[in-house]
Amino acid sequence: GEDVEQSLFLSVREGDSSVINCTYTDSSSTYLYWYKQEPGAGLQLLTYIFSNMDMKQDQRLTVLLNKKDKHLSLRIADTQTGDSAIYFCADPGYSSASKIIFGSGTRLSIRP
Amino acid sequence: SQTIHQWPATLVQPVGSPLSLECTVEGTSNPNLYWYRQAAGRGLQLLFYSVGIGQISSEVPQNLSASRPQDRQFILSSKKLLLSDSGFYLCAWSGSLTGGNQPQHFGDGTRLSIL
Repeated sequence: GEDVEQSLFLSVREGDSSVINCTYTDSSSTYLYWYKQEPGAGLQLLTYIFSNMDMKQDQRLTVLLNKKDKHLSLRIADTQTGDSAIYFCADPGYSSASKIIFGSGTRLSIRP
Repeated sequence: SQTIHQWPATLVQPVGSPLSLECTVEGTSNPNLYWYRQAAGRGLQLLFYSVGIGQISSEVPQNLSASRPQDRQFILSSKKLLLSDSGFYLCAWSGSLTGGNQPQHFGDGTRLSIL
């Protein structure tokens, strides 16, 4: 079945880059998404990438997509304390009801 | 612009009591609607989704139910809560174009504690 996998934890020093990785199984998606969840809050759509792109840059965020390996990554440059959150990779696949397969989330912690 | 509202934000209920969580969406019509549960700040479990009024699909058998009495209103209910129903409940909506690939947009969630 469809699956999305992420590592559970990542700890980086403030000011360094963070790289959160994700692998997925359903390659029929037009888009792939990254969501951010801050403590006690809902999920916020952070960014997305078209499946026909290799890279998308949006200010401090860079998304890399390797379709051959079904690998997606999110790089956060100059990581700040406000970036502390859980980051979810999401693959919508192909569904008439827009069901999305979410990864289990990567908890990003920032060290001073 | 579209907004989604969930209430209440927090709820403490005794075991065996009923439950009603409400979610409404503004600024769009005929959205797809979703209820998720998240345990201990971890992954999301899809509970129910709806593609139209009165149309509910259940993903996980349990003692919860969902209803969609109006186009932009989605309700999660239980007649008798169990301890295992504790968690963070999230409502989400997406556009209703067929073929999927519509992002979902989430409410702020309801934290439910069962005593």
